[in-house]
Amino acid sequence: QSVLTQPPSVSGAPGQRVTISCTGSSSNIGAGYDVHWYQQLPGTAPKLLIYGNSNRPSGVPDRFSGSKSGTSASLAITGLQAEDEADYYCQSYDSSLSGSEVFGTGTKVTVL
Amino acid sequence: QVQLVQSGAEVKKPGSSVKVSCKASGGTFSSYAISWVRQAPGQGLEWMGGIIPIFGTANYAQKFQGRVTITADESTSTAYMELSSLRSEDTAVYYCARTVRTVAGTTIYFDYWGQGTLVTVSS
Repeated sequence: QSVLTQPPSVSGAPGQRVTISCTGSSSNIGAGYDVHWYQQLPGTAPKLLIYGNSNRPSGVPDRFSGSKSGTSASLAITGLQAEDEADYYCQSYDSSLSGSEVFGTGTKVTVL
Repeated sequence: QVQLVQSGAEVKKPGSSVKVSCKASGGTFSSYAISWVRQAPGQGLEWMGGIIPIFGTANYAQKFQGRVTITADESTSTAYMELSSLRSEDTAVYYCARTVRTVAGTTIYFDYWGQGTLVTVSS
């Protein structure tokens, strides 16, 4: 059971904007720990999409953006494209118990 | 270009152990930590632990303490993850990932990933 909760699925038509939420608590996101996001295409390894809440690695289109506020974070995809259909995961640190890196529950993005 | 190449798929019996390797190229192996993340079939990602090769010290998720051992060989730029007392629930794809600490130093993230190694535990 992950401590970071994401909606199981979101969908949108090509060109639309979709957002994925990542809800945590006072022991992770709310404690000020950074949030990172990954994209996992079917049958492949995850790929870093956003690090440090809102930074894009080189090569990631600026259609992808991240933000954080309070105990939650969000990933936005603008100008949705067919190739964006994938699973998306947030990741942060949780200080409860003995402390650990934690991933969100994951969100499947479907392009209609 | 950083590349992480993992060893091939494994089929193991319950109660046995498995050791997965992860060979790095294209970067300075010792300067970065290597983490291991697993993904059970149809499930999400789960961090298992990591190691900083230059220090040789590993840390593990509480869930895997006592059952997982992560090591690194600087001479071959290879990291290893050994999981013991295997059970059916350990059937998963295991990934290694290069690990970077944020500027603030409060969290880590994974910027390069291996291709994954499927470990199947079955009698």
